[in-house]
Amino acid sequence: ETGVTQSPTHLIKTRGQQVTLRCSSQSGHNTVSWYQQALGQGPQFIFQYYREEENGRGNFPPRFSGLQFPNYSSELNVNALELDDSALYLCASNLEASGVEQFFGPGTRLTVL
Amino acid sequence: AQSVAQPEDQVNVAEGNPLTVKCTYSVSGNPYLFWYVQYPNRGLQFLLKYITGDNLVKGSYGFEAEFNKSQTSFHLKKPSALVSDSALYFCAVRALTGANNLFFGTGTRLTVIP
Repeated sequence: ETGVTQSPTHLIKTRGQQVTLRCSSQSGHNTVSWYQQALGQGPQFIFQYYREEENGRGNFPPRFSGLQFPNYSSELNVNALELDDSALYLCASNLEASGVEQFFGPGTRLTVL
Repeated sequence: AQSVAQPEDQVNVAEGNPLTVKCTYSVSGNPYLFWYVQYPNRGLQFLLKYITGDNLVKGSYGFEAEFNKSQTSFHLKKPSALVSDSALYFCAVRALTGANNLFFGTGTRLTVIP
């Protein structure tokens, strides 16, 4: 086990709705990254937070947003859900932004109908 | 730009035989390379990484990988496959700038046949 937890495990939403996914990092890990893994694909980087500030972003629209809190937890928010947002969402934490190894949570499976 | 390619969607191997899962990379500069494994309905589990040093990297569960700079490859290997090794394997390279995020390949499904 990596010590990274995510909730909920599964989620079903309808198109146009908003969703919040949560992640709890390993204690002391001040960096969290979020990835989207569509069916049959490798994970794709959404963004990273370091000490509660966005530290980098992949090729995702602004309706994907995040927050990181001082207690090593974080959120991924997606507005105006689209069918293509259906995927496994993974968070990963590391000790510092420069840290080499990322520790992944089990993921949240989001289905958009 | 960084990227990795996993040329095989599926690899089948008999239990007890050696296995190889292939990965090639494209990066300007020295690469940080990783292998992760994913079991059904689970997140990614770290297997091993190459940063610098010995080209043969040993990792978890008896896996190892060989870094080959001239062929820009980082193939995952195991001398004797187990049925429990059946899973989805991802090769990844770390971004050299910005958030140091990982760029993943499309994955290779390994099936070990009893």
